[in-house]
Amino acid sequence: AQRVTQPEKLLSVFKGAPVELKCNYSYSGSPELFWYVQYSRQRLQLLLRHISRESIKGFTADLNKGETSFHLKKPFAQEEDSAMYYCALNNAGNMLTFGGGTRLMVKP
Amino acid sequence: GAGVSQSPSNKVTEKGKDVELRCDPISGHTALYWYRQSLGQGLEFLIYFQGNSAPDKSGLPSDRFSAERTGGSVSTLTIQRTQQEDSAVYLCASSLATGLGNTIYFGEGSWLTVV
Repeated sequence: AQRVTQPEKLLSVFKGAPVELKCNYSYSGSPELFWYVQYSRQRLQLLLRHISRESIKGFTADLNKGETSFHLKKPFAQEEDSAMYYCALNNAGNMLTFGGGTRLMVKP
Repeated sequence: GAGVSQSPSNKVTEKGKDVELRCDPISGHTALYWYRQSLGQGLEFLIYFQGNSAPDKSGLPSDRFSAERTGGSVSTLTIQRTQQEDSAVYLCASSLATGLGNTIYFGEGSWLTVV
């Protein structure tokens, strides 16, 4: 069975500080991992996916198959990064399995 | 439309009543998903439609929940004899196809409150 775990429900950092949102997964095949973000009063939207290996809004995430992790990182957090972040796993097309989410609060 | 459209955006209903939630996926998207977002529970998969195939209903929490997709486009999620624990945001999503590399787009959700 596939499972996505985000151990932190809330992460609070000061503006300019580095931020890392943790995500661990369990899946027997080759997964596709995503980070979705939900800003206040907005719909859930894709932030980035591991196969793109891109940086979006300064965020990056590297898939570590040995540690089964896909942590989201940003070197300098901004207040506008405050949102709910969800890590998700795609099991080859049928559906996304989401973690419980981490609320990021960036304080001025 | 430009994105996944859901209605109603908010619904308050009395316990025991039936409710219907509607989803209009992005035009041309063959895959449609329903998720539930409960306070403190994260995002929970409910049901998935892909083209004309039989839907994957493995996430429906009870037989009070059902969904259909007419003509391969619009979908309706029906909750019969609503209970207070059904209160949640019901999210619909769609994607162009399935398989690795597809992006899933979400609607703004229907906020259901059962009183």
